[in-house]
Amino acid sequence: SYVLTQPPSVSVAPGRTARIPCGGNSIGSKSVHWYQVKSGQAPVMVISYNIDRPSGITERLSGSTSGNTATLTISRVEAGDEADYYCQVWDVVGDRPVFGGGTKLTVL
Amino acid sequence: QVQLQESGPGLVKPSQTLSLTCTVSGASISSGSHYWSWIRQSAGNGLEWIGRIYTNGHTNYNPSLRSRVTISSDTSKNQISLNLYSVTAADTALYHCARAYSSGWDYFDFWGQGALVTVSS
Repeated sequence: SYVLTQPPSVSVAPGRTARIPCGGNSIGSKSVHWYQVKSGQAPVMVISYNIDRPSGITERLSGSTSGNTATLTISRVEAGDEADYYCQVWDVVGDRPVFGGGTKLTVL
Repeated sequence: QVQLQESGPGLVKPSQTLSLTCTVSGASISSGSHYWSWIRQSAGNGLEWIGRIYTNGHTNYNPSLRSRVTISSDTSKNQISLNLYSVTAADTALYHCARAYSSGWDYFDFWGQGALVTVSS
Protein backbone atom coordinates (compact mmCIF):
# COMPACT_ATOMS: atom_id res chain seq x y z
CA SER A 1 0.00 0.00 0.00
CA TYR A 2 1.04 3.60 -0.54
CA VAL A 3 3.14 5.16 2.23
CA LEU A 4 3.60 8.81 3.18
CA THR A 5 6.59 9.78 5.33
CA GLN A 6 6.78 12.87 7.53
CA PRO A 7 9.41 13.92 10.08
CA PRO A 8 8.06 13.61 13.65
CA SER A 9 8.92 17.19 14.50
CA VAL A 10 9.96 20.55 13.09
CA SER A 11 11.03 23.53 15.20
CA VAL A 12 11.18 27.14 14.10
CA ALA A 13 11.60 30.56 15.69
CA PRO A 14 8.74 33.07 15.53
CA GLY A 15 8.78 35.12 12.35
CA ARG A 16 10.78 32.54 10.41
CA THR A 17 9.60 30.10 7.77
CA ALA A 18 8.68 26.49 8.56
CA ARG A 19 8.74 23.79 5.91
CA ILE A 20 7.08 20.45 6.59
CA PRO A 21 7.91 17.74 4.05
CA CYS A 22 5.77 14.77 3.10
CA GLY A 23 7.53 12.05 1.12
CA GLY A 24 5.88 9.50 -1.14
CA ASN A 25 6.64 7.64 -4.34
CA SER A 26 5.82 9.98 -7.24
CA ILE A 27 3.73 12.14 -4.94
CA GLY A 28 4.10 14.93 -7.47
CA SER A 29 1.61 13.07 -9.66
CA LYS A 30 -1.02 12.96 -6.90
CA SER A 31 -3.24 15.48 -5.17
CA VAL A 32 -2.03 16.15 -1.65
CA HIS A 33 -4.17 17.57 1.14
CA TRP A 34 -2.90 18.98 4.44
CA TYR A 35 -4.57 19.14 7.86
CA GLN A 36 -3.79 21.12 11.00
CA VAL A 37 -4.61 19.33 14.25
CA LYS A 38 -4.52 21.24 17.52
CA SER A 39 -5.07 19.53 20.85
CA GLY A 40 -8.71 19.50 21.83
CA GLN A 41 -9.90 20.92 18.53
CA ALA A 42 -11.37 19.49 15.37
CA PRO A 43 -8.79 18.97 12.62
CA VAL A 44 -8.85 21.65 9.94
CA MET A 45 -8.00 21.22 6.28
CA VAL A 46 -5.49 23.94 5.41
CA ILE A 47 -4.45 22.95 1.88
CA SER A 48 -6.31 20.92 -0.74
CA TYR A 49 -5.16 19.71 -4.15
CA ASN A 50 -1.51 20.56 -3.38
CA ILE A 51 -1.86 24.34 -3.40
CA ASP A 52 -5.44 25.46 -2.74
CA ARG A 53 -6.24 27.27 0.48
CA PRO A 54 -9.82 26.87 1.74
CA SER A 55 -11.71 29.99 2.65
CA GLY A 56 -10.53 31.42 5.96
CA ILE A 57 -7.05 29.88 5.90
CA THR A 58 -4.24 32.38 6.25
CA GLU A 59 -2.14 33.24 3.20
CA ARG A 60 0.94 32.45 5.27
CA LEU A 61 0.25 28.77 4.56
CA SER A 62 1.11 27.37 1.15
CA GLY A 63 1.66 23.99 -0.43
CA SER A 64 3.83 22.63 -3.20
CA THR A 65 4.82 19.30 -4.70
CA SER A 66 7.81 18.14 -6.71
CA GLY A 67 9.00 14.65 -7.52
CA ASN A 68 8.71 12.52 -4.42
CA THR A 69 8.06 15.32 -1.91
CA ALA A 70 5.14 17.55 -1.03
CA THR A 71 5.84 20.50 1.23
CA LEU A 72 3.68 22.61 3.50
CA THR A 73 5.27 26.02 4.02
CA ILE A 74 4.30 28.34 6.85
CA SER A 75 5.68 31.86 6.50
CA ARG A 76 6.18 34.34 9.34
CA VAL A 77 5.46 31.64 11.90
CA GLU A 78 3.39 32.59 14.94
CA ALA A 79 2.87 30.88 18.28
CA GLY A 80 -0.66 30.02 17.20
CA ASP A 81 0.71 27.85 14.39
CA GLU A 82 1.87 25.23 16.89
CA ALA A 83 0.03 22.05 15.96
CA ASP A 84 0.39 18.66 14.36
CA TYR A 85 0.27 18.71 10.57
CA TYR A 86 -0.73 15.72 8.45
CA CYS A 87 -0.50 15.18 4.71
CA GLN A 88 -3.02 12.95 2.94
CA VAL A 89 -3.49 11.46 -0.51
CA TRP A 90 -6.05 9.09 -1.99
CA ASP A 91 -4.79 5.56 -2.63
CA VAL A 92 -6.57 4.80 -5.89
CA VAL A 93 -5.59 1.12 -5.83
CA GLY A 94 -6.83 0.56 -2.29
CA ASP A 95 -9.68 3.06 -2.69
CA ARG A 96 -8.97 4.66 0.66
CA PRO A 97 -7.15 7.67 2.13
CA VAL A 98 -3.56 7.45 3.24
CA PHE A 99 -2.22 9.80 5.90
CA GLY A 100 1.35 10.67 6.75
CA GLY A 101 2.48 10.02 10.30
CA GLY A 102 2.15 13.68 11.21
CA THR A 103 4.67 16.40 12.08
CA LYS A 104 4.58 18.33 15.32
CA LEU A 105 5.45 21.98 14.69
CA THR A 106 7.07 23.67 17.68
CA VAL A 107 7.49 27.44 17.77
CA LEU A 108 10.60 28.22 19.80
CA GLN B 1 -21.62 25.82 8.62
CA VAL B 2 -21.32 22.05 8.86
CA GLN B 3 -20.75 20.76 12.38
CA LEU B 4 -20.08 17.24 13.60
CA GLN B 5 -20.22 16.09 17.22
CA GLU B 6 -19.11 12.69 18.42
CA SER B 7 -20.58 11.09 21.53
CA GLY B 8 -20.32 7.81 23.41
CA PRO B 9 -18.70 6.04 26.36
CA GLY B 10 -15.17 7.10 27.18
CA LEU B 11 -14.21 3.75 28.69
CA VAL B 12 -14.70 0.31 27.17
CA LYS B 13 -13.55 -3.02 28.58
CA PRO B 14 -11.35 -5.34 26.51
CA SER B 15 -13.29 -7.76 24.27
CA GLN B 16 -16.39 -5.57 24.41
CA THR B 17 -17.90 -3.29 21.74
CA LEU B 18 -16.99 0.35 21.20
CA SER B 19 -20.05 2.30 20.08
CA LEU B 20 -19.99 5.96 19.02
CA THR B 21 -22.46 8.32 17.41
CA CYS B 22 -21.78 11.36 15.25
CA THR B 23 -24.50 13.99 15.08
CA VAL B 24 -24.33 16.18 11.98
CA SER B 25 -25.78 19.66 11.66
CA GLY B 26 -25.70 22.05 8.73
CA ALA B 27 -25.76 19.26 6.14
CA SER B 28 -27.83 16.20 5.33
CA ILE B 29 -26.14 12.81 5.58
CA SER B 30 -28.53 11.40 2.99
CA SER B 31 -27.94 13.79 0.10
CA GLY B 32 -25.17 15.57 -1.79
CA SER B 33 -21.84 14.56 -3.27
CA HIS B 34 -20.27 13.88 0.09
CA TYR B 35 -19.86 10.82 2.23
CA TRP B 36 -19.10 10.34 5.91
CA SER B 37 -16.11 8.69 7.54
CA TRP B 38 -14.74 7.64 10.89
CA ILE B 39 -11.06 8.35 11.49
CA ARG B 40 -9.11 7.65 14.65
CA GLN B 41 -6.07 9.37 16.06
CA SER B 42 -3.62 7.73 18.40
CA ALA B 43 -0.16 8.59 19.65
CA GLY B 44 1.46 5.63 17.99
CA ASN B 45 -0.40 5.52 14.68
CA GLY B 46 -1.30 9.11 13.83
CA LEU B 47 -4.50 9.30 11.77
CA GLU B 48 -6.06 6.01 10.68
CA TRP B 49 -9.10 5.80 8.42
CA ILE B 50 -11.69 3.35 9.73
CA GLY B 51 -14.33 3.43 7.03
CA ARG B 52 -17.07 5.38 5.29
CA ILE B 53 -20.76 5.42 4.54
CA TYR B 54 -22.29 6.97 1.45
CA THR B 55 -25.57 8.83 1.27
CA ASN B 56 -27.21 5.65 -0.09
CA GLY B 57 -25.99 3.63 2.90
CA HIS B 58 -23.21 1.78 1.08
CA THR B 59 -20.15 1.22 3.24
CA ASN B 60 -16.41 0.55 2.83
CA TYR B 61 -13.93 -0.31 5.54
CA ASN B 62 -10.19 -0.26 6.16
CA PRO B 63 -9.07 -3.84 5.43
CA SER B 64 -7.15 -3.92 8.71
CA LEU B 65 -10.41 -3.40 10.66
CA ARG B 66 -13.02 -4.82 8.29
CA SER B 67 -13.72 -7.95 10.32
CA ARG B 68 -14.51 -5.93 13.47
CA VAL B 69 -16.29 -2.77 12.34
CA THR B 70 -19.73 -1.63 11.27
CA ILE B 71 -20.72 1.90 10.22
CA SER B 72 -24.39 2.76 9.93
CA SER B 73 -26.61 5.81 9.64
CA ASP B 74 -29.93 7.08 10.98
CA THR B 75 -31.25 9.60 8.48
CA SER B 76 -34.16 10.58 10.71
CA LYS B 77 -31.69 11.83 13.31
CA ASN B 78 -28.96 12.85 10.81
CA GLN B 79 -26.48 10.63 12.67
CA ILE B 80 -23.64 8.30 11.75
CA SER B 81 -22.71 5.44 14.06
CA LEU B 82 -19.59 3.34 14.61
CA ASN B 83 -19.41 -0.08 16.20
CA LEU B 84 -16.00 -1.65 16.75
CA TYR B 85 -16.15 -5.17 18.16
CA SER B 86 -13.78 -7.18 20.32
CA VAL B 87 -11.67 -4.19 21.26
CA THR B 88 -8.20 -4.31 22.77
CA ALA B 89 -5.91 -1.69 24.28
CA ALA B 90 -4.63 -1.00 20.76
CA ASP B 91 -8.04 0.51 19.96
CA THR B 92 -7.55 3.28 22.53
CA ALA B 93 -7.72 6.49 20.50
CA LEU B 94 -9.48 9.75 19.76
CA TYR B 95 -12.27 8.89 17.31
CA HIS B 96 -13.33 11.56 14.79
CA CYS B 97 -16.15 11.62 12.32
CA ALA B 98 -15.56 13.64 9.18
CA ARG B 99 -17.26 14.65 5.98
CA ALA B 100 -15.48 13.73 2.78
CA TYR B 101 -15.71 15.40 -0.60
CA SER B 102 -15.72 12.78 -3.32
CA SER B 103 -13.62 13.84 -6.30
CA GLY B 104 -11.31 10.95 -7.07
CA TRP B 105 -8.74 12.65 -4.86
CA ASP B 106 -11.05 12.73 -1.86
CA TYR B 107 -10.41 14.98 1.11
CA PHE B 108 -12.07 15.66 4.46
CA ASP B 109 -13.48 19.17 4.67
CA PHE B 110 -15.23 19.07 8.04
CA TRP B 111 -14.31 17.15 11.17
CA GLY B 112 -15.64 16.69 14.67
CA GLN B 113 -13.50 17.38 17.74
CA GLY B 114 -13.38 13.70 18.48
CA ALA B 115 -14.41 11.33 21.26
CA LEU B 116 -11.64 9.89 23.42
CA VAL B 117 -12.11 6.18 24.03
CA THR B 118 -9.92 4.22 26.40
CA VAL B 119 -9.95 0.43 26.37
CA SER B 120 -9.15 -0.83 29.83
CA SER B 121 -10.47 -3.23 32.43
